[in-house]
Amino acid sequence: AQSVTQPDARVTVSEGASLQLRCKYSYSGTPYLFWYVQYPRQGLQLLLKYYSGDPVVQGVNGFEAEFIKSNSSFHLRKASVHWSDSAVYFCAVSSSNTNKVVFGTGTRLQVLP
Amino acid sequence: EAAVTQSPRSKVAVTGGKVTLSCHQTNNHDYMYWYRQDTGHGLRLIHYSYVADSTEKGDIPDGYKASRPSQENFSLILELASLSQTAVYFCASSDRGREQYFGPGTRLTVL
Repeated sequence: AQSVTQPDARVTVSEGASLQLRCKYSYSGTPYLFWYVQYPRQGLQLLLKYYSGDPVVQGVNGFEAEFIKSNSSFHLRKASVHWSDSAVYFCAVSSSNTNKVVFGTGTRLQVLP
Repeated sequence: EAAVTQSPRSKVAVTGGKVTLSCHQTNNHDYMYWYRQDTGHGLRLIHYSYVADSTEKGDIPDGYKASRPSQENFSLILELASLSQTAVYFCASSDRGREQYFGPGTRLTVL
């Protein structure tokens, strides 16, 4: 069965600092991997996605993630965060032959000015 | 740009009443989903559909029904609303396995 683990419920960083949000998945086949962001009182928005190819994928607003198959991880990174990055971030996994997407429980990011 | 809209955006319902939440997508996607999100929590899948006139149970279907009358429209029905169904409900659409496009959510309060 598919599963996604986001071990950090909350992360607090200072503006301008680098960021890594952790995501580990469990899936027996070839996964599709996603990061979504949710701002207050809004729906989820796609940050980036990985289907195949280059394991480092670029997303919007300077975010990137790296698919490491040997570690079953898909951590999200940003070199320098801005206060507007404060939000909840969800990692998710699916595949070409599944009907459902499995979401992690989310990581709430707070960026201190 | 891909678009998913939901109506109403917020609703107050009475316990035991019937509630219908509507979702419309213009993405030409086969798959549509209903999730609920409780305060401070992640998403839980209620129902989904991959073709018109057919729906499938998700992970928490009890107390909910779904209807997919067309490719564009997907409704979530609470026949007898209960206090425990107070939550924010999100609709999403996608191609199979691909990124999902979410609506803005419906905030449901059952009193």
